[in-house]
This record gives sequence, C-alpha cells and structure tokens, in this order.
Amino acid sequence: GAGVSQSPSNKVTEKGKDVELRCDPISGHTALYWYRQSLGQGLEFLIYFQGNSAPDKSGLPSDRFSAERTGGSVSTLTIQRTQQEDSAVYLCASSSWTGGYEQYFGPGTRLTVT
Amino acid sequence: GQQVMQIPQYQHVQEGEDFTTYCNSSTTLSNIQWYKQRPGGHPVFLIQLVKSGEVKKQKRLTFQFGEAKKNSSLHITATQTTDVGTYFCAGNNNDMRFGAGTRLTVKP
Repeated sequence: GAGVSQSPSNKVTEKGKDVELRCDPISGHTALYWYRQSLGQGLEFLIYFQGNSAPDKSGLPSDRFSAERTGGSVSTLTIQRTQQEDSAVYLCASSSWTGGYEQYFGPGTRLTVT
Repeated sequence: GQQVMQIPQYQHVQEGEDFTTYCNSSTTLSNIQWYKQRPGGHPVFLIQLVKSGEVKKQKRLTFQFGEAKKNSSLHITATQTTDVGTYFCAGNNNDMRFGAGTRLTVKP
C-alpha cells in the first residue's frame, strides 16, 4: 500500500479480554516499530523488528504484551488480560533501515478498556 | 540504556512569537530526527540531522545538531496557528528513542 495501515482504528474491550492489533507496513520496509501513546503523552517504545533478526522487546511493559511479525511484513501486537491502564493509542511505524531513515507512522489503533 | 530528554513539555505562544524546543541525549547519537504530530494525528517526519554542528532550515523552522552530537534544537520563527502540535525528537544510537515531545499551542 501507499502507507502504513493499522486495524482496527478503534477497539473497545472489557477488562480481562485479549486483543489483537494489526499493522501492515510499507512494502519493502525491513524495520517495524510499535509504540504506545497515552492521551496527551509522548511515544512509549514497545518493540521493534528488523528483518529476520530477533526483535528488541525491551519496551514491552509486561508479559501480557507480545508481538510477532510474519514473513517480515505484517505484525500483530497482542495484549492478554487487558487492564484499564492499557487504554491508549497504539502506533505502528516502519522504515527502510532501522535508525537511519525516517519512520512512517500508521494512523494508530485507539484501545479503550472498560 | 539510551535516554532522550526533551524540554519544555509545553509551550504556549502568541502568534508571531518564536518557539524553541530542546533535545538532549545521555549518549552520543549517530543521527537525530524530528517529527511533528498535529492534534488527533500521527507523527510525521520533518528532518534528519547527521553531522556534528549541522544546521538545516525548512522555511521558518531551523534545526541544529550539537557539536558533540548529544543535543539538538528546533526553532520556529514567527509562529503561525498552523504550527500547533507536538514536536518530537528521536535520537539514534543503534536504537531509535523518542523524546517526550513539546506541545506547542499558538494563540491567534
């Protein structure tokens, strides 16, 4: 596609349920990032993938969070047993070379845990 | 690990006034990027600085990279209401890490 896409755009879930957020990066981009942004706050790094290398998971806040990237393209961020503090906008970004080129951000998924 | 600090957190200016946001890293950076996020939008890339002491301009925006490659600034001359948003720096030292951002509001 022309840009990074994310789905769903909005997700409302009950506390304790699992959710999956999807990111489709720009075709050919080898690096993919996930960030979390709470209302009015900065970007909290979660995880990034670079090609076939092991992902950098250092930003994941707890073991309820996990992500995978299949075939070096689409990525899924999974949050298990959601909590109210997980409510935020989850942004995905891709770039053609990690750290060296600009990151293109998707529109984000707004997650609300009730 | 690498930390990127950005100040101020908020800045409110009268239209026509200047605005500056500062970014400082705990480690030497290979490059630094700046992004702008409009209210309700997602971050959009503005520029990348690579060289020590580098200065780049985009119309009313001036970006600087410090001589030690540990700090950077973004200066906007004569702000306009279209400048409203949050400006983020992102420092790269093997890993790319974003600053907390500076939220700019402009009063017409």
